[in-house]
Amino acid sequence: DAKTTQPNSMESNEEEPVHLPCNHSTISGTDYIHWYRQLPSQGPEYVIHGLTSNVNNRMASLAIAEDRKSSTLILHRATLRDAAVYYCILRPGNTPLVFGKGTRLSVIA
Amino acid sequence: DAGVTQSPTHLIKTRGQQVTLRCSPISGHKSVSWYQQVLGQGPQFIFQYYEKEERGRGNFPDRFSARQFPNYSSELNVNALLLGDSALYLCASSLSSPPGANVLTFGAGSRLTVL
Repeated sequence: DAKTTQPNSMESNEEEPVHLPCNHSTISGTDYIHWYRQLPSQGPEYVIHGLTSNVNNRMASLAIAEDRKSSTLILHRATLRDAAVYYCILRPGNTPLVFGKGTRLSVIA
Repeated sequence: DAGVTQSPTHLIKTRGQQVTLRCSPISGHKSVSWYQQVLGQGPQFIFQYYEKEERGRGNFPDRFSARQFPNYSSELNVNALLLGDSALYLCASSLSSPPGANVLTFGAGSRLTVL
């Protein structure tokens, strides 16, 4: 299984941008980079995904390094509702999502 | 539209018993996956079904089984329950047998406690 490395935890102030890093040095050319998050007492929730180019949606932005060995999930203005565990996942072809331990994001009011 | 619904939300069983968990996917989604999440860990893949056929299986013992029905709903069965089976069981649906870009929608899970 493709592997990712994320910090165990991060902290942010409310209404400030948050940059969540993910390293995936063994990524292959067909691996999509997916981000999911899990709020307390809920199932994981899709955030964003990309292959090579940066991506934006209503929830976040995904910045992918030119060599694809790392990526950053950007929350433009953190709110208390963004406090969650964020998972960075590589998806090689027709395979299930393989979750690591993720990054626990705390948001301070 | 209703999201992925799972039942029951909570249940308590004793060692050796059997349990059946149920999942209704989002309307139009033909693929269902099951995950187990032990406290403090990320979800672990158990099964994937697409069009009523098993398309993938994780590293779980044969005590775990699943099936998908013609309406694309699914059941997960666990026999001979062990204390270590205590976990949140998550169901996720997607539009098709996923290529790398496909997106999964998860339910809120069924929390199983084995005493």
